[in-house]
Amino acid sequence: KQEVTQIPAALSVPEGENLVLNCSFTDSAIYNLQWFRQDPGKGLTSLLLIQSSQREQTSGRLNASLDKSSGRSTLYIAASQPGDSATYLCAVNDYIPTFGRGTSLIVHP
Amino acid sequence: EAGVAQSPRYKIIEKRQSVAFWCNPISGHATLYWYQQILGQGPKLLIQFQNNGVVDDSQLPKDRFSAERLKGVDSTLKIQPAKLEDSAVYLCASSLEVTGELFFGEGSRLTVL
Repeated sequence: KQEVTQIPAALSVPEGENLVLNCSFTDSAIYNLQWFRQDPGKGLTSLLLIQSSQREQTSGRLNASLDKSSGRSTLYIAASQPGDSATYLCAVNDYIPTFGRGTSLIVHP
Repeated sequence: EAGVAQSPRYKIIEKRQSVAFWCNPISGHATLYWYQQILGQGPKLLIQFQNNGVVDDSQLPKDRFSAERLKGVDSTLKIQPAKLEDSAVYLCASSLEVTGELFFGEGSRLTVL
């Protein structure tokens, strides 16, 4: 059974910092990995999808990498802003998408 | 393109009562998921459909939860009877195929008193 761990559980940083969020998984036989953002009381918004054959994906200030052999993905957020404050979740899809518990991010002005 | 639609957004019931949630996926998406998200935790998969067949329901408490997707399009998740620990947000998601990108609805927040 796939297990997904996200570290750190919470993060509070001043505006402008570059951030790295981590996602690790136990079974490397995956199809893809997807990063989401969740604002309080809202559903999940897709940020980036990385296929198993890819090493990274970029969207604006976000960059996600995937190292399937070591069971790790990182989400890099450049020049963080207060609007980035949210919970970030990763989902690992080995036919059944499994989520981590998320990283709660606060970016203060 | 319309997103994943869910209703109701909020529901408050007494324990032992029943409740039903509805989900309409993105048009053409064959795979539909129901997740349960308890406050402070990540979403937990309850059931995954491929068209109108079940791919996985290993974490669905079948003594009280049921779900159907009769025509391979929209889906209903029912809880009967509800327990206090069922208080959570019920999220519906869909994807073109089992290995495709997931798209989520806004969720249905259930409070059991």
